[in-house]
Amino acid sequence: GAVVSQHPSRVICKSGTSVKIECRSLDFQATTMFWYRQFPKQSLMLMATSNEGSKATYEQGVEKDKFLINHASLTLSTLTVTSAHPEDSSFYICSARDVLPDNSNYGYTFGSGTRLTVV
Amino acid sequence: GQNIDQPTEMTATEGAIVQINCTYQTSGFNGLFWYQQHAGEAPTFLSYNVLDGLEEKGRFSSFLSRSKGYSYLLLKELQMKDSASYLCAVSRGYQKVTFGTGTKLQVIP
Repeated sequence: GAVVSQHPSRVICKSGTSVKIECRSLDFQATTMFWYRQFPKQSLMLMATSNEGSKATYEQGVEKDKFLINHASLTLSTLTVTSAHPEDSSFYICSARDVLPDNSNYGYTFGSGTRLTVV
Repeated sequence: GQNIDQPTEMTATEGAIVQINCTYQTSGFNGLFWYQQHAGEAPTFLSYNVLDGLEEKGRFSSFLSRSKGYSYLLLKELQMKDSASYLCAVSRGYQKVTFGTGTKLQVIP
């Protein structure tokens, strides 16, 4: 089945630094990838939609200059949290949309998530 | 705007049946997903409903009523390992998937 690799799984960084999270589709092409954030005991909140070769579309209230998204190829999207602060500590999950979806998951495959802790 | 609502928490007994409801109000509705998520892990796909009706898949079944903006996930023969959060998510517009508030299910002996 489709696999999405997300790295790192855990990262601790100092306040004010930047952190890059990678999301790769391993055996399929993903023209669209989605980035979610999940706070403890809450559901996934869609941050942005990234399309290969174009600018990401951010949801209302998400700062595009703080959360930089790059979707340079059909298999790779990155999320960079710039000038991280403790309130950015969260669980970040990507989801890749298969160009040719099948019935196993209707084309949406999630990465394993990244636990970001800003100290 | 859109709203996707689920009960926050539910408790059920091992071996029993539990129904988790989801109501939604959204434009450009394509279909509705159900996912299972254990703490600290990514969501796992359970079902996707596009048409009205009930779809059964082993111990799990999912129902959709598009006219009522309503869905439910039915879990039969509950097992302890079914303790998790269950997320309904709406697919709308051009591929975008938006999640509901999530229901934390606790299965007790």
